[in-house]
Amino acid sequence: SQQGEEDPQALSIQEGENATMNCSYKTSINNLQWYRQNSGRGLVHLILIRSNEREKHSGRLRVTLDTSKKSSSLLITASRAADTASYFCATDEGGGADGLTFGKGTHLIIQP
Amino acid sequence: KAGVTQTPRYLIKTRGQQVTLSCSPISGHRSVSWYQQTPGQGLQFLFEYFSETQRNKGNFPGRFSGRQFSNSRSEMNVSTLELGDSALYLCASSLGISGSYETQYFGPGTRLLVL
Repeated sequence: SQQGEEDPQALSIQEGENATMNCSYKTSINNLQWYRQNSGRGLVHLILIRSNEREKHSGRLRVTLDTSKKSSSLLITASRAADTASYFCATDEGGGADGLTFGKGTHLIIQP
Repeated sequence: KAGVTQTPRYLIKTRGQQVTLSCSPISGHRSVSWYQQTPGQGLQFLFEYFSETQRNKGNFPGRFSGRQFSNSRSEMNVSTLELGDSALYLCASSLGISGSYETQYFGPGTRLLVL
């Protein structure tokens, strides 16, 4: 079942601008993760935020988590052409019954 | 450390055939999970193996099966292939010790086309 739902489905911005993607989910979670996928290849883990954390940074990435609203956002600052990819949020619901539950992703295009 | 490897990378089969996909996890990782990715359904969890035992299973028919060997390498098998099985099959490895789904390291995937 799809738990995480990303918004927007597609985003096109100019190089150097910031990109913000949002994710909503439905049940309680242990953690929420963001992954990047380039052109139908494997997924690359970007960042993991636990349910008791509110914000996390990694390089140009900033992730926030609001468990009361069951939502998360991923901010990529100073975007580069190499950031062009699909971005997925994934939730661990706990108990591990369904593995990681992925959203449908946001396709980000960085215009040079 | 070498990353997760999957073989073969591409596969073409016809309806009714069966297929076996292989995944070698990162050295030291004991958990291997399999996912199916299609344009319509997105990424869906198939199953997870830890120390040669299936620990979790997604909502897929019994035609989809897997196993894990003592060296943590894993295989998944799909029998009686259907057109709808055409997809990118991804495996992911992790330490798996905590029992929850921490950072997953994905392989490049096997793209299966069923004709």
